Amino acid sequence: GAGVSQSPSNKVTEKGKDVELRCDPISGHTALYWYRQRLGQGLEFLIYFQGNSAPDKSGLPSDRFSAERTGESVSTLTIQRTQQEDSAVYLCASSLQGWGSRQPQHFGDGTRLSIL
Amino acid sequence: AQSVAQPEDQVNVAEGNPLTVKCTYSVSGNPYLFWYVQYPNRGLQFLLKYITGDNLVKGSYGFEAEFNKSQTSFHLKKPSALVSDSALYFCAVRDMDTNDYKLSFGAGTTVTVRA
Repeated sequence: GAGVSQSPSNKVTEKGKDVELRCDPISGHTALYWYRQRLGQGLEFLIYFQGNSAPDKSGLPSDRFSAERTGESVSTLTIQRTQQEDSAVYLCASSLQGWGSRQPQHFGDGTRLSIL
Repeated sequence: AQSVAQPEDQVNVAEGNPLTVKCTYSVSGNPYLFWYVQYPNRGLQFLLKYITGDNLVKGSYGFEAEFNKSQTSFHLKKPSALVSDSALYFCAVRDMDTNDYKLSFGAGTTVTVRA
């Protein structure tokens, strides 16, 4: 497809389990972003990848959260030892260039994570 | 620091009436401003942006936004709302003159257009 693809679309897991969320950006987009959206709230920045540069991890809420990206393709966001407060929609976005550009970010439909 | 405020949690209008969604921002330098729309169970869709130039920006689906530097506002408008415009709207800003390059999003405004 032409858009940002995220999987799974929904994930329900028990507290304490690890989860892995996947994002396929738009082909050719060098920048990739992860956000968290809690119910009734705006977007919370988590992490940003730009090409081969070191990622900006300043938004990750704890060391249970980590993310990787292979080159300019797929990214995975991993949450270890999940807690109930991790329940949210996790959105991935990509753009043609990085933060300095004027290009808008294009979003996937998100992964709705529910921790029981 | 940069921030965005969307003072209204909800906006309700009748179909065919004008729609306005308010946004004010705070940045140290000059702003990049964006509006996004989110439909249920979907990601955010880009509507329009302001970088430089004309203060009135036209975007997708008949939406426009007016940049007002003195009031630090970037209100989203549509002259005649449709029921299909019912969604969650986000304003976002980043400061183009600093190294604080993250996009800051408002909390969102839920728009309901009644038939």
